[in-house]
Order: sequence, then structure tokens, then C-alpha cells
Amino acid sequence: GAGVSQSPSNKVTEKGKDVELRCDPISGHTALYWYRQRLGQGLEFLIYFQGNSAPDKSGLPSDRFSAERTGESVSTLTIQRTQQEDSAVYLCASSFGGQGYEQYFGPGTRLTVT
Amino acid sequence: DAKTTQPNSMESNEEEPVHLPCNHSTISGTDYIHWYRQLPSQGPEYVIHGLTSNVNNRMASLAIAEDRKSSTLILHRATLRDAAVYYCIPDWLIFGQGTELSVKP
Repeated sequence: GAGVSQSPSNKVTEKGKDVELRCDPISGHTALYWYRQRLGQGLEFLIYFQGNSAPDKSGLPSDRFSAERTGESVSTLTIQRTQQEDSAVYLCASSFGGQGYEQYFGPGTRLTVT
Repeated sequence: DAKTTQPNSMESNEEEPVHLPCNHSTISGTDYIHWYRQLPSQGPEYVIHGLTSNVNNRMASLAIAEDRKSSTLILHRATLRDAAVYYCIPDWLIFGQGTELSVKP
């Protein structure tokens, strides 16, 4: 079956512009996660959606970052007024549930802010 | 948050076993210990997870200390395709820096 997909695969934007990154989770997965990975670094948790519960936004680095999810399907991560330090690979994952369940990762979106 | 300590890097020879250690001395009693790995230019992939008992699957084995303050991921016969960064995650959602495993032919 289809895995987690993300689009675009690459995005180059100018400093100060807004960007939207999209994640299509595996069908039936109630949990969805966004992570950020800077070059040569580990993953930083950003936000977690679980079903209809309020999302865990504790990892969002600033109010320029926001994310939405429509039901148990597509999610969009929005970064407003991008800065050069936002340059990173943004990874999305989904799972059947929360802790204890395997997360399936997408290929990521590489964001470059010039 | 559980503090996690892993070696920055390890080397192994092909077809030999590899033991990847992880210390998580402040883990809570209910947190699972997950291991993921990330091959170059790819998203992470699940390897194994456990709570208290040792676990085996087709990819690896996970040995968990009785006090749960450390765990060891065991690859029984390393292959070149096992070269990756291995993340020990005792605090759900916190991936840390991981151990970069290189495998020599």
C-alpha cells in the first residue's frame, strides 16, 4: 500500500515569504507527527495530532510555525515569514496510535531559505 | 524528559554482530524504548521497541536492563545496508543525535 507522502520534495523560498508543506498520512492512521531535521542533526519534534484531540504543539519553535490537520487525513505545516534558520528537512510521520506504535515516515521536504 | 546518551559513532565489520548501547537513566516507568534508524537521505524507519522484556524481530533484538536505565540494540549480522544513524528514543518524540554506524566490508 501507499506510504506517507510529502510535497513538495524540495522548496526554495526567499527570506520573509510564507511556505506550506503538505503531508498525506497512511490511510487509517489516527496519529500524525511533524519533525524538523537540520543538516547533520537529529530530529526535532514539532507537533503531534491524535484523532480529534487537541494537537500537542509543544515542539513548535515560534508562533511563525503552525499546522493543521483535516480529520484523520492530510496535514499542512505552515511557516510564516521564513528565516534562514528555518532551512531544514521537514519530516512527517503517521501511526495507528500514540506511544508504543510504530511511526512511518515520509521522504521529507527539503526547505531552503535564501 | 529522559536524558539519553549514545555513542556518536561506531564501526563494525560486515557479517559480525553489533551492539549499540543507550543510557536512559531518567526514563519513566511507563515509557517505551523505541529504536529507529535513518539511512542517508531517507526518513527514519522503525527498528524495534520494548517496555521491560527483551524483544526480538526480523531486524534486530533489543536487550533492556532490569532497571530500564539502559538498553542495547543488537544487529546479529551487520550488512553494508545497516550503515545508518541509529536513534534510541526512551522519551517519546525526542530523537536525540543518535549513533552513526559504519559497516566495513
